[in-house]
Amino acid sequence: GAVVSQHPSWVICKSGTSVKIECRSLDFQATTMFWYRQFPKQSLMLMATSNEGSKATYEQGVEKDKFLINHASLTLSTLTVTSAHPEDSSFYICSARDSLAPTYNEQFFGPGTRLTVL
Amino acid sequence: DAKTTQPTSMDCAEGRAANLPCNHSTISGNEYVYWYRQIHSQGPQYIIHGLKNNETNEMASLIITEDRKSSTLILPHATLRDTAVYYCIVRVDRAAGNKLTFGGGTRVLVKP
Repeated sequence: GAVVSQHPSWVICKSGTSVKIECRSLDFQATTMFWYRQFPKQSLMLMATSNEGSKATYEQGVEKDKFLINHASLTLSTLTVTSAHPEDSSFYICSARDSLAPTYNEQFFGPGTRLTVL
Repeated sequence: DAKTTQPTSMDCAEGRAANLPCNHSTISGNEYVYWYRQIHSQGPQYIIHGLKNNETNEMASLIITEDRKSSTLILPHATLRDTAVYYCIVRVDRAAGNKLTFGGGTRVLVKP
C-alpha cells in the first residue's frame, strides 16, 4: 500500500529557531500533498495544500511567511516553521495523493511530527 | 462540503460489533461519505468510503441510508487495537483541491 513518511517524528527546539519537517511519499508520486496541524484533544486542521512545482495554497488564517512550504519533487514536501514560538507546539501531519492511481483522490497520511517549542 | 454530526464518544466490548453513526442531513448528490480513524499520536488511516450503496472491505462495513442523510460504520469484531477517534467526512470526489475537513469525530474505546 501507499506509504507516507515524515521526518523527524518529534523535535524539541528553542523559541525563535526554525524547524523543517519533511514529508515523503515512499512508493508513489504525489503532485499534491497536504499539511495539517493538530492541537491536543482537537481535530486536524488543514493548514495548506502543497503543489509540486508551484506555490502552496494556504488556508485562511495560516501565515504563509511563518509556515514555509516547498514541494520541489514528486515525492517530497517540506514544511518549515520559522521563528517558532511555544504556541506553535503541535502535532503536524502531512498527507499525499497518489497522482497515478485510479483512486488518485485518496489521501495517505504520514505518522505525524510532534513539535515542542521551549 | 456537507457538515457531519457524530457522537463525541462511545464504548464497545472487545469481540462485539461496533456501530458508529454519522448524520449528514445536508449531503449533496455528488458527495461521498468517507471514514478515517486516528489512533493516538498517529496519522489518520483511511477505512472506507461510499456514495449510496453499502460497502464492505477487510476493515469495516459502511451502511448508508436510502435518503443518504445518515450512515453507520460497522466494525464487525472490535479489538483493543480499534480504539481510536473515528472521523466521518463527506466531500465531493475528485473535487478541486481534494481537501478533507475533519470534524470532532467519535472517540471509540474498546474494552476487554
